[in-house]
Amino acid sequence: ETGVTQTPRHLVMGMTNKKSLKCEQHLGHNAMYWYKQSAKKPLELMFVYNFKEQTENNSVPSRFSPECPNSSHLFLHLHTLQPEDSALYLCASSQDPAGLMNTEAFFGQGTRLTVV
Amino acid sequence: DAKTTQPPSMDCAEGRAANLPCNHSTISGNEYVYWYRQIHSQGPQYIIHGLKNNETNEMASLIITEDRKSSTLILPHATLRDTAVYYCIVRGFIQGAQKLVFGQGTRLTINP
Repeated sequence: ETGVTQTPRHLVMGMTNKKSLKCEQHLGHNAMYWYKQSAKKPLELMFVYNFKEQTENNSVPSRFSPECPNSSHLFLHLHTLQPEDSALYLCASSQDPAGLMNTEAFFGQGTRLTVV
Repeated sequence: DAKTTQPPSMDCAEGRAANLPCNHSTISGNEYVYWYRQIHSQGPQYIIHGLKNNETNEMASLIITEDRKSSTLILPHATLRDTAVYYCIVRGFIQGAQKLVFGQGTRLTINP
């Protein structure tokens, strides 16, 4: 248990569906992240939020839409996905490193997404 | 973002020390080196980090060369549960938030 909770753990969706992935942390962290991990590939950073503001969008297609209503919650809204979007989606959180020595990131267990 | 280079795979016998190398020749003076590992289909787990000095915690030791262009993660007494993909990362920043860019990592297999 890392303190970062992702739901659902598994999701199967059709290409015309709309679904959302949820991430929640109660560690007091201000930064939250979405990563994508396709089969046999390294983690790809998708989005970074710091104090609820998006600071990084790593050229992610618009069919992925993040939302960060507060520092504890992060969503990834999905619509009209493609089969190649099937992957493990990981959420992480970390503390603002300014003035701190250790700012390890804590990862959730991920949502295994299958697009059919 | 500074790039890291790691061997794609390594094997180690159970009970022996596992030494995982990492090259980060473009690291700048204030950038930390972080190590994470990912056990199959789980989220990555933090192991250790360092800037200049060698570091040790309950999981591992980190040896950083004097020129900071490479480092070695040492698992002193590897167990079967240490089988995982190990990532060496040079931590960057993006508007106040740390930015962790993962490479291919080293797939470490601990053999009985």
